[in-house]
Amino acid sequence: KAGVTQTPRYLIKTRGQQVTLSCSPISGHRSVSWYQQTPGQGLQFLFEYFSETQRNKGNFPGRFSGRQFSNSRSEMNVSTLELGDSALYLCASSPGTDSEAFFGQGTRLTVV
Amino acid sequence: AQSVTQLGSHVSVSEGALVLLRCNYSSSVPPYLFWYVQYPNQGLQLLLKYTSAATLVKGINGFEAEFKKSETSFHLTKPSAHMSDAAEYFCAVSPPPSGGSYIPTFGRGTSLIVHP
Repeated sequence: KAGVTQTPRYLIKTRGQQVTLSCSPISGHRSVSWYQQTPGQGLQFLFEYFSETQRNKGNFPGRFSGRQFSNSRSEMNVSTLELGDSALYLCASSPGTDSEAFFGQGTRLTVV
Repeated sequence: AQSVTQLGSHVSVSEGALVLLRCNYSSSVPPYLFWYVQYPNQGLQLLLKYTSAATLVKGINGFEAEFKKSETSFHLTKPSAHMSDAAEYFCAVSPPPSGGSYIPTFGRGTSLIVHP
């Protein structure tokens, strides 16, 4: 069974640009969550999607948004990039009901 | 509100020695507790989880953790460290999912260094 796949693995963007990250969950999983990992703030929850609906949301500005498609694949978008958005962005998928999440390898975003 | 405190950003042990990584939590509801491991340039892998059943939880790779409500602790242990255990370890707490997903709040992590 294939694991959680995140693309791209590495990304360099310029301040002010926008970026879209992609996450393909484990087959059959309906929940996808996104996390930001930085040395300064650690691991922080961004949001969770379940059956194409945002079910939970962390404390991030509106520049951070996401969506989920009917095949459960998810995308995360960050607009008007700031230097502080440089981070490892992790995606995790789960069946969605009282179950643990499985993490992808992450996308390393660098904003210059 | 929930939070996790991991005592010690770095822990150094010799190969074969006991591993003890400390985690204390704060939660206004009965907590679900987790330990994850992260290897360089990798995502997180679940080592073990406590979900209100047995207080001593056994996980993968020989790790175990004990839930102590009176001490609000969930320390991770392994009797004998291997070189391959060198990694970043995260403790996390989540409220009961109530039919939804766990949404863990993570600690800042502890880097385990294993010396030959």
